[in-house]
Amino acid sequence: DSGVTQTPKHLITATGQRVTLRCSPRSGDLSVYWYQQSLDQGLQFLIQYYNGEERAKGNILERFSAQQFPDLHSELNLSSLELGDSALYFCASSPHGSRSGANVLTFGAGSRLTVL
Amino acid sequence: KNEVEQSPQNLTAQEGEFITINCSYSVGISALHWLQQHPGGGIVSLFMLSSGKKKHGRLIATINIQEKHSSLHITASHPRDSAVYICAVWGRDDKIIFGKGTRLHILP
Repeated sequence: DSGVTQTPKHLITATGQRVTLRCSPRSGDLSVYWYQQSLDQGLQFLIQYYNGEERAKGNILERFSAQQFPDLHSELNLSSLELGDSALYFCASSPHGSRSGANVLTFGAGSRLTVL
Repeated sequence: KNEVEQSPQNLTAQEGEFITINCSYSVGISALHWLQQHPGGGIVSLFMLSSGKKKHGRLIATINIQEKHSSLHITASHPRDSAVYICAVWGRDDKIIFGKGTRLHILP
């Protein structure tokens, strides 16, 4: 157990639907990162939050949004789902929100989303 | 051309062999990570480097900032080392860019 908890582990839904993925960071970590891993694209950085505020944004679609709550857990909302959104979604946490990249990342086990 | 290139894409070796996985990148970075992804999907961060060399057990990671190149070495490889190894660079714009991974299979 890495200390980063992601729910649900598996999710099957239909095109056009909306889902919410949840991440609880490791105790004491202030930053949360979301990544998408699909078969053809590999891992892609979506977004980072630090202590409740958006810190960095990657290749996140407009149909996707995220937030980090006062208790530091984070949610990734995916709407108007398309077949191509089927992927593994990973959350990672780190102690800091440093822009230096000097952050040790701890990954959750991932949420596997299947869009039919 | 991808900003982060890994080689080889796939590697099969016998138990005990010395393994080298390479990562080249074309962007300015503040740090580089080596990640290990097991067949079950879980990802573990092995190293974070901004210069020089780091060692942890049988794993060694090096980085040459001038040449924009990093290597991950595994000494005395074991079947439990079988996994996908991913290089990830942390750009100066805070964007994290991942390589496509190297699939390593160690035969007993």
